[in-house]
Amino acid sequence: AQSVTQLGSHVSVSEGALVLLRCNYSSSVPPYLFWYVQYPNQGLQLLLKYTSAATLVKGINGFEAEFKKSETSFHLTKPSAHMSDAAEYFCAVSAQGAQGGSEKLVFGKGTKLTVNP
Amino acid sequence: ETGVTQTPRHLVMGMTNKKSLKCEQHLGHNAMYWYKQSAKKPLELMFVYSLEERVENNSVPSRFSPECPNSSHLFLHLHTLQPEDSALYLCASSHDKTGRLGYTFGSGTRLTVV
Repeated sequence: AQSVTQLGSHVSVSEGALVLLRCNYSSSVPPYLFWYVQYPNQGLQLLLKYTSAATLVKGINGFEAEFKKSETSFHLTKPSAHMSDAAEYFCAVSAQGAQGGSEKLVFGKGTKLTVNP
Repeated sequence: ETGVTQTPRHLVMGMTNKKSLKCEQHLGHNAMYWYKQSAKKPLELMFVYSLEERVENNSVPSRFSPECPNSSHLFLHLHTLQPEDSALYLCASSHDKTGRLGYTFGSGTRLTVV
């Protein structure tokens, strides 16, 4: 079965510094991968998605993620953090189950990003 | 506006009350979901509906009762809840139940059980 591991439940960066949020997935078949962002008391908003096209995916708000099959990773990056990037970020994977079984999104536990002035 | 609207945004209810959460989407999606998000816990998938048919029920207590009258509307009926049921309840929809194109989430209902 597919699963997602987000390394680090909390990440803190300075404004203007590189943001790197880590996500590793486990899937026996080619995955569909997603990053979502959640601001306080809001729902989850799609940042970007990988659907087997280009391995470097660009999303909203200057974020991007690179699919690395050999490392089973889909890390999220942004060159320069803004205060407005402070939020919780969720990685998710969707893959066809074995024998054509049920497919759905499986979410990681989330990484809370703090941006310091 | 995300395309998925949840009402109410906030709800406080006593343990003996009966209330309902509403979710509405006009994105033409065929699958809808209820999630529970508690503090310091991962997102918990509660129910999945595909073409108005419940396709997944993740061992949710019977005090939570979902209803999907059509592909645009999803309800979560609540009765005799416990304080530990206090959480943010999120509704989501997707093109189909595979979720390959991603989910669209509503803003959630913040439920407090007193």
